[in-house]
Amino acid sequence: DQQVKQNSPSLSVQEGRISILNCDYTNSMFDYFLWYKKYPAEGPTFLISISSIKDKNEDGRFTVFLNKSAKHLSLHIVPSQPGDSAVYFCAASGMASRGGSNYKLTFGKGTLLTVNP
Amino acid sequence: NAGVMQNPRHLVRRRGQEARLRCSPMKGHSHVYWYRQLPEEGLKFMVYLQKENIIDESGMPKERFSAEFPKEGPSILRIQQVVRGDSAAYFCASRELYDTEAFFGQGTRLTVV
Repeated sequence: DQQVKQNSPSLSVQEGRISILNCDYTNSMFDYFLWYKKYPAEGPTFLISISSIKDKNEDGRFTVFLNKSAKHLSLHIVPSQPGDSAVYFCAASGMASRGGSNYKLTFGKGTLLTVNP
Repeated sequence: NAGVMQNPRHLVRRRGQEARLRCSPMKGHSHVYWYRQLPEEGLKFMVYLQKENIIDESGMPKERFSAEFPKEGPSILRIQQVVRGDSAAYFCASRELYDTEAFFGQGTRLTVV
């Protein structure tokens, strides 16, 4: 039972254009969402997050949008750079205030982004 | 402030041996997660620990696998009697008590021969 889904295994984008990575979730108890970036042979690196009380969070070239009614979030990278080429993981969690195993991060399978020069 | 430290980075074990993977969380972080990544797959949750307490081990195989996070020292993921199917990258992440962002280590790549 996959609670966090990234339906596109890969995405190829031209340098300078926008990259849009999508993520869907099924568990309505999730109320905090995170994006991680991973290079081969390295650990995932935290990129950006969003709480369910917001619908947008922006940090430099990275913006995450959350549509709670559709249980969908997306990561926008503008402009895309060759160094952005990596696997991007979407993750979801319950809020810290709920306690217990709701803190657990549930990951999607990842999307391989390739930014072509 | 050092990040999450995992060691060893690479571990080779023969079938039937034990594998011990260590994770030192970031300073001040009291919660640790272990994840496994098989080739061509995503990050699979294994176990979530607080110091001296297992909070959720629903992703841990029932046999041969165990984890601990003692009051002092690193968190340990132990795999007894390893089999070839245990070959994977094992990642540890840590976070502060009321934070939701978790920070990952570089991982331990276990190869069972």
